[in-house]
Amino acid sequence: AQSVAQPEDQVNVAEGNPLTVKCTYSVSGNPYLFWYVQYPNRGLQFLLKYITGDNLVKGSYGFEAEFNKSQTSFHLKKPSALVSDSALYFCAVRDSSGSARQLTFGSGTQLTVLP
Amino acid sequence: DSGVTQTPKHLITATGQRVTLRCSPRSGDLSVYWYQQSLDQGLQFLIQYYNGEERAKGNILERFSAQQFPDLHSELNLSSLELGDSALYFCASSGKPGLNTEAFFGQGTRLTVV
Repeated sequence: AQSVAQPEDQVNVAEGNPLTVKCTYSVSGNPYLFWYVQYPNRGLQFLLKYITGDNLVKGSYGFEAEFNKSQTSFHLKKPSALVSDSALYFCAVRDSSGSARQLTFGSGTQLTVLP
Repeated sequence: DSGVTQTPKHLITATGQRVTLRCSPRSGDLSVYWYQQSLDQGLQFLIQYYNGEERAKGNILERFSAQQFPDLHSELNLSSLELGDSALYFCASSGKPGLNTEAFFGQGTRLTVV
């Protein structure tokens, strides 16, 4: 079965500093990994995805994520945080093995960027 | 705007009642997914439909059911409601059911059972 862990419920960072939101995954086959962001009272918005190829994936709003197969991680990063980046971030995975095609989500990490 | 439309945005109902949540996917998307988001359970996958047929089932209670109609809109029916069913229910849609296809989410229906 596929699963995702986001070890930090809350991440605080000062505006202008780099940010990292951590994600580790477990799958049987090859992983297909996604990051979503949720603003208050809104749906989830797609940020970026890793399929194959370069381990550093670039996405929307200046976000990027680094895939590390040996550590089974897919951490979300941004070089310089903005106050407007404050939101709930979800990592998700699909497993290439088996028939499941739905996304399995982590528990979410609340990012707060302090002015 | 993701292009996925959910109605209603808010719903307040009493225990024991039945409600129907509606989802219109993005134009052209054949797959519809339903998720439940609650504080204690996080984002839980309920069920997926592809082009009118059930494709995958997750942690969906027997009191809940869903369907996808020929025009591709979907409805999630929740019956014999309990206080614990209070949650945010999301619909998402995607194109071909490939592994590398991201899903696009609606803004959700907030259900409050009193």
